[in-house]
Amino acid sequence: DQQVKQNSPSLSVQEGRISILNCDYTNSMFDYFLWYKKYPAEGPTFLISISSIKDKNEDGRFTVFLNKSAKHLSLHIVPSQPGDSAVYFCAARISGSARQLTFGSGTQLTVLP
Amino acid sequence: EADIYQTPRYLVIGTGKKITLECSQTMGHDKMYWYQQDPGMELHLIHYSYGVNSTEKGDLSSESTVSRIRTEHFPLTLESARPSHTSQYLCASTNPGHNNEQFFGPGTRLTVL
Repeated sequence: DQQVKQNSPSLSVQEGRISILNCDYTNSMFDYFLWYKKYPAEGPTFLISISSIKDKNEDGRFTVFLNKSAKHLSLHIVPSQPGDSAVYFCAARISGSARQLTFGSGTQLTVLP
Repeated sequence: EADIYQTPRYLVIGTGKKITLECSQTMGHDKMYWYQQDPGMELHLIHYSYGVNSTEKGDLSSESTVSRIRTEHFPLTLESARPSHTSQYLCASTNPGHNNEQFFGPGTRLTVL
């Protein structure tokens, strides 16, 4: 039973346009959400996060939106750059959980020059 | 910048061999994790540790074992490798003050023939 779902395994976007990566979750106990970026043959690197008490967090070209009622979050990248091409993982946390993070299956973003 | 190391980066071995995947971090983090990840799939937690002499199994059943004798070191051992163990193994660490951001090592790509 996958509690964090990324239903789009891949996404292609033209350079300079907006990339929107989506993530849905089923567990209402999740209170913190993170996005990670992963290049081939490397470990994931932290990108941006959001607490459940907020609905938006912005960091440069990256913005994460949280819709708690829909149990949905999205990552917006604008403008998209070829170097953004990577796999993006959504992750969620339950406060006080020993296991910390539950990950989605990832979305491969390809930014075309 | 996070400093977490994994060796070897790539390993190809025959069935039945005993292997140890090394993971070390120099940040003094208490909590460490091992994940298993296959292409296009989510990261599955297989082991975690709160600190020295503390280890727990994760969500995904694994035939591997771990130990935590020193804060900085969290090795994973497979007593008898099988082709079903072929995967990427990712080590991570975190401290509570980092808002649950986990720092990942580069991973070990294991292939069992």
